[in-house]
Parts: sequence; structure tokens; C-alpha cells
Amino acid sequence: DSGVTQTPKHLITATGQRVTLRCSPRSGDLSVYWYQQSLDQGLQFLIQYYNGEERAKGNILERFSAQQFPDLHSELNLSSLELGDSALYFCASSAQEAGLSKQYFGPGTRLTVT
Amino acid sequence: AQKITQTQPGMFVQEKEAVTLDCTYDTSDPSYGLFWYKQPSSGEMIFLIYQGSYDQQNATEGRYSLNFQKARKSANLVISASQLGDSAMYFCAMRGIGSGNTGKLIFGQGTTLQVKP
Repeated sequence: DSGVTQTPKHLITATGQRVTLRCSPRSGDLSVYWYQQSLDQGLQFLIQYYNGEERAKGNILERFSAQQFPDLHSELNLSSLELGDSALYFCASSAQEAGLSKQYFGPGTRLTVT
Repeated sequence: AQKITQTQPGMFVQEKEAVTLDCTYDTSDPSYGLFWYKQPSSGEMIFLIYQGSYDQQNATEGRYSLNFQKARKSANLVISASQLGDSAMYFCAMRGIGSGNTGKLIFGQGTTLQVKP
């Protein structure tokens, strides 16, 4: 158990809908990352927050947004869902913003868009 | 730009034998870290080992060791005494650690390892 929790574990929804994925980092970790794992794109970095502030953006679509709250949990919002958004979405956390700080991954949320 | 290449889509190893999973990288960052993660069929990503580019010695964590060859830009994972539970997908990843870098990891395509009894 990495100490990172993600809910829900599975999510099935229809095209055009909006969903929210939730992540709670390990106790004491200030940095939260979101990654997407799909068959065609592999594992891709989406976005990073550190202590409530956005720190880095990767290949995140405009239909996607995220935020980190004062209690350090984070949410990833996916809207106007398309079939291609079906993927495993991971949240990871680390103590520091960068450097060699290890990133610990949550169990992931498997999103299926039908 | 950073890039990780894992050229072995799939590997087989006999139980109790050692296996090497290849990883090559490309980066313009003078300082960087290299990481290996394991993803079993259940889907979670498990951190295994990491190496800083400035480390003189190769990293080891139990049965895992990282064969770091900076001149060749390779960071191969060696698993000794393979166990059936080692069957999984393995990902090599990296990130720059100098100023101006964030914590984002760049991942390779992964290598599926199957351990035969």
C-alpha cells in the first residue's frame, strides 16, 4: 500500500459526460501528479500541483482540469468525454516539488467511456 | 527534451535466474534521476529503485539493482533470483533534477516480464 488513495476505482460513463476523479496524497506529501495510461499513448504526465499551486502541465487536454485543495487532496475533472479518454488515471504524490523525491502512485481509476 | 526507450516489449526468465531489462534515455539536463516501476496485472504502479545521474555507485534495493552506464545513457534493471511474483510490466522513467525542472516523470513503453516455473 503506497498510502495514496484514489476514488473511484472504476468509472463507466457515456460520451459527452463529465466526471471527477479524486486523490488523497500520502500523509505529509505536498506534491500531487496526475498521469494517464492508455494503450496507444502509454503513460503520460498530465499535471502537477504543489501545495495548492499548479507547477507543471503536460499533455493535458483543455477539456480536462485539476485542482489541489487546502487539505492537499486533488481532483481531476474530465468533461465532454470521448471514447479516446478511456484509460487508467493515476495520481502520485511526493514530499518535494522536484529533485529525486520518490513518487508514490495510487491504485488508479479505470475510466471507461461508452 | 527527454526520452526513455525500452526496446524489449516482452521477456521470459526461468524462476531463480537473473534477468536484465533494458532502458536507454536521452536528455539535455545535466542532472537527472532514473526510476524503475513495476506494474502487476492488478494495475498499481510500485516504485522499485532510483539512481541519480551524479551517483558514483549503482543503486541496489534487495533483489533489484540498477546498472547505470552514463556514457551509454543506459539504466538497465537487473532482477536477481527471479520469483513468480516478479511477472509484471516494468517501466523505466526519468526526470530532470536541476533548477527549472519539475517533478514530472517521463516513462518508457514498458517491458512485460514473465517468470516461468
